Formats: sequence, structure tokens, C-alpha cells
Amino acid sequence: DAMVIQNPRYQVTQFGKPVTLSCSQTLNHNVMYWYQQKSSQAPKLLFHYYDKDFNNEADTPDNFQSRRPNTSFCFLDIRSPGLGDAAMYLCATSPEGLPGQPQHFGDGTRLSIL
Amino acid sequence: AQSVAQPEDQVNVAEGNPLTVKCTYSVSGNPYLFWYVQYPNRGLQFLLKYITGDNLVKGSYGFEAEFNKSQTSFHLKKPSALVSDSALYFCAVRDGADKLIFGTGTRLQVFP
Repeated sequence: DAMVIQNPRYQVTQFGKPVTLSCSQTLNHNVMYWYQQKSSQAPKLLFHYYDKDFNNEADTPDNFQSRRPNTSFCFLDIRSPGLGDAAMYLCATSPEGLPGQPQHFGDGTRLSIL
Repeated sequence: AQSVAQPEDQVNVAEGNPLTVKCTYSVSGNPYLFWYVQYPNRGLQFLLKYITGDNLVKGSYGFEAEFNKSQTSFHLKKPSALVSDSALYFCAVRDGADKLIFGTGTRLQVFP
């Protein structure tokens, strides 16, 4: 089945140690999103891509970076994780320019900071 | 600006009873509305959407939602709740071409 896959499902890192989360999709969607979700709150959009065109949200900290080397893969890099970055990180995709189409989410990576 | 509100943090219902999870919206123009469900340690799963047409929208797992333009509401409903429906539910509205604005979420607890 076509889907959005996030690896790893659980990630533990040390305070200040860079970490990379990955997302892949088989839906061939042009738009990919990264969300941060804390303790059952609403997902918070960090950034999204139209193909390789990167769009950062105004309040996304500089500590968060992203790469999208091709249509299928997208990475979230946290350069110096702080305790406040412990959260669930969700990747999602959607076809571009079709507002009636839902976003498709992966199962997330739960990040813990020691 | 587009927004959605979910006035209830938690809804409790007995198994077999009907359930309603409330959502109201504020948009300029025609709304594109969505409901998602999230089970523990999982991503968001799409349940149903309203784009245009019939005000009663049917979705996955027996859920449906009623779009009410005069009340600017899009409440999620199910005639008979299951314990397995216990989860976190998010209402969302499309913002621009490709972004979603989520409500704060409602935790549904179905008791046996």
C-alpha cells in the first residue's frame, strides 16, 4: 500500500547532540510537511516543501532544518536539541494545489532528549 | 484568518450510545473541513472531509459529520460508539492551497 513511512519510530538523543529524523513516501505527492506535536496537543507545522521549494513557518526555531533530496524522501535535522524539543514529529504529504485532498500522515517519530 | 475550535477537551460516552464531537469554524470563503483521528503513538488518520455538496458527510469506521453553514459547525457523529473509538480527534480547516489549521483536539473516551 502507498504510504508515508517514518524512521525511526522512537529516537533518543542527548542534549545538544544533533539528530536526524527521516520520512519517505510512496504516494508521489509533491508537498511534504513536518509537524511537531507535544503531549496530545494539535500538530504544529514547522515547514513544508513544494517539491524542493522550502517554506519555513515564521516561528520555527533556527535549530530545526530540513532537506528534501528527492520527491520520496524528506529529513528533519535538529542541530542542537534542547529538552523542549522532546516531542512527536510527524511527516505528512499531499498533492499540490488540490485543497480538497487530505494530508496523509506517517506514524511519527517520538523524540526523547536525555 | 481561518480557524477551528473544538470546545470540549474530552467527551465521555458509553459503548453503544451515540457520540458527538463538536467543531466550529471561521473561514473567509468556502470552507474545506476535515476530521482526523489519532490513536496512541500513531500518526493522524483521515476520517472524512467536507468540500461541497451534501451537508451530511460519511467517512471511515462508521463516522459521519454534519456541515451546518448557518451555525458554522462541522460536528463529528457516530450512531453507536465502540470502545475502540477511544482516541484523540482533530478537526481541521484548509488554509490556502495546501496547509491545515487544526483545532486543539478532543479526547473521546468510550466506556464499556
